[in-house]
Amino acid sequence: GAVVSQHPSWVICKSGTSVKIECRSLDFQATTMFWYRQFPKQSLMLMATSNEGSKATYEQGVEKDKFLINHASLTLSTLTVTSAHPEDSSFYICSAPLAGAETQYFGPGTRLLVL
Amino acid sequence: TQLLEQSPQFLSIQEGENLTVYCNSSSVFSSLQWYRQEPGEGPVLLVTVVTGGEVKKLKRLTFQFGDARKDSSLHITAAQPGDTGLYLCAGAWRSSYKLIFGSGTRLLVRP
Repeated sequence: GAVVSQHPSWVICKSGTSVKIECRSLDFQATTMFWYRQFPKQSLMLMATSNEGSKATYEQGVEKDKFLINHASLTLSTLTVTSAHPEDSSFYICSAPLAGAETQYFGPGTRLLVL
Repeated sequence: TQLLEQSPQFLSIQEGENLTVYCNSSSVFSSLQWYRQEPGEGPVLLVTVVTGGEVKKLKRLTFQFGDARKDSSLHITAAQPGDTGLYLCAGAWRSSYKLIFGSGTRLLVRP
């Protein structure tokens, strides 16, 4: 099956710093990728849709200036958490659909801890 | 407000018992997917149901899509400790490929 990777798998940072998380589709091209956030013991909440070559689409309540998304190529989307605060500590997961299919492939997630 | 509600939220059962997890919505989806997630990992797709009334079986797991394509159920027969995990349903719309996840059901199967 298709593989999606994320890097880093976990990161600890100080409050006020920015953190970049990468999402790569390893064996297929993805014009669209999705970013989710998952707090402990909760479900995945869609944050934004990353579109290759154009601006990301953010879900209601998600600050686009805080969560910067760049989809620079057909295999890479990045999520930058700017000026991170402890409340941004969460599990961030990306996914990518195969073209023409509703099935999505999920990355292994990135655990962010902001001190 | 959760667009997709799952019930129960948490289930603790003995090995060998049967269980059913429900996923309900007021929205119509073009497909509904079920995932299982282990702690610290991304969700893994179990099945996708597309047609209203569709039933799919995956070994001891039986998935059903409601006739109106608004709800779904997951039935596990003779649960095993290896079935322990977070089960998530997710609705998709063909127009956007966007997935909306349900509230989740945390299953614990005790040996």
